[in-house]
Amino acid sequence: AQSVAQPEDQVNVAEGNPLTVKCTYSVSGNPYLFWYVQYPNRGLQFLLKYITGDNLVKGSYGFEAEFNKSQTSFHLKKPSALVSDSALYFCAVRPHENFNKFYFGSGTKLNVKP
Amino acid sequence: EPEVTQTPSHQVTQMGQEVILRCVPISNHLYFYWYRQILGQKVEFLVSFYNNEISEKSEIFDDQFSVERPDGSNFTLKIRSTKLEDSAMYFCASRDSRYGYTFGSGTRLTVV
Repeated sequence: AQSVAQPEDQVNVAEGNPLTVKCTYSVSGNPYLFWYVQYPNRGLQFLLKYITGDNLVKGSYGFEAEFNKSQTSFHLKKPSALVSDSALYFCAVRPHENFNKFYFGSGTKLNVKP
Repeated sequence: EPEVTQTPSHQVTQMGQEVILRCVPISNHLYFYWYRQILGQKVEFLVSFYNNEISEKSEIFDDQFSVERPDGSNFTLKIRSTKLEDSAMYFCASRDSRYGYTFGSGTRLTVV
């Protein structure tokens, strides 16, 4: 069965410090990997994706993510967190053979304290 | 930048009532989707729609649910007889290509 795991319900980090939000997946084949962010009462905003190529992908708002095939992980990172980064972050995968369907993780709430 | 628009942003309905959630996908997109997020849980796939028919649906999408593209611009999700457990945020999405998936801002449905 396809699944996406975000092991941390919540991540707390001080402003200016680096942040990591973890994601691992169990999907057949070579999936496409995504990160989305959800601000309160807002929709899902695309941050970045990995399709192929360089394992480190850069996205919006200074975020980046590292694909690790052997560990089936796609952790989201940012070198220096901002208070405005506080939001709910979702990891998602789409199987290579089915563009129709995303499998989402349960979400990680990121709290950045001043 | 083009957006997927959903209306209303919040809908309250009584149990057993029919509700229609509306979405306007991006105009040149051909594939349309509904996803659901029950409060505190993960976002789940409901249904995909292409060429005026359902291409895939999840086990959640039972006979109480239906989708329609009535006029070439709107894409609607109808729940025939709402239950308390239908309370959730419903996201519409559309795509044009393999990667160009865009989500709307969601409709929060509250069934009382």
